[in-house]
Amino acid sequence: DAGVIQSPRHEVTEMGQEVTLRCKPISGHDYLFWYRQTMMRGLELLIYFNNNVPIDDSGMPEDRFSAKMPNASFSTLKIQPSEPRDSAVYFCASSGSWDRYGYTFGSGTRLTVV
Amino acid sequence: SQQGEEDPQALSIQEGENATMNCSYKTSINNLQWYRQNSGRGLVHLILIRSNEREKHSGRLRVTLDTSKKSSSLLITASRAADTASYFCATVRAYSGAGSYQLTFGKGTKLSVIP
Repeated sequence: DAGVIQSPRHEVTEMGQEVTLRCKPISGHDYLFWYRQTMMRGLELLIYFNNNVPIDDSGMPEDRFSAKMPNASFSTLKIQPSEPRDSAVYFCASSGSWDRYGYTFGSGTRLTVV
Repeated sequence: SQQGEEDPQALSIQEGENATMNCSYKTSINNLQWYRQNSGRGLVHLILIRSNEREKHSGRLRVTLDTSKKSSSLLITASRAADTASYFCATVRAYSGAGSYQLTFGKGTKLSVIP
């Protein structure tokens, strides 16, 4: 298995533009998570899905952020419009169980909003 | 919100020495996990320990869990330069509803192993 695949690896965009981050979880994993990592705030859970259904989106900063999981093999995180304070590394992770296995993380997308 | 708090924030040791990192948390948990993150990379899962377990081993890693004190420790024995990384604890707590649970990460311990 190729692991959790995220794209793009790096994204530089201008303030106000729409940004879409993509994630392909490990096949067979029922849980998918989006995290954001910054020096100031550490790792923050944004949203997670179970069987493609959003379970907890309380970590989504504001309405500018949205996430979808149209099928078991694909998820997107969209920021519209983007702001400089959204600059961070965004990680996607998947897991086959909440109680038996850890999470497998992707390599992350480093987003810079100028 | 951050539930796990690692201690120390940074640790520098010589190669061959043991490294101990601690994690404290505030509410009851179902399991606790430790992860490693090399600079600029994603997190790698190391060990998961359930709330009814007290100790777990994996190679040079030993994790303990004391639910009465709400704390865990990660011991890396005979450290190597390649162990240089940030180490995070993450607590998992199930709440109402099937498939509903909360996993929160601490801010990590930055370990430097000097050759």
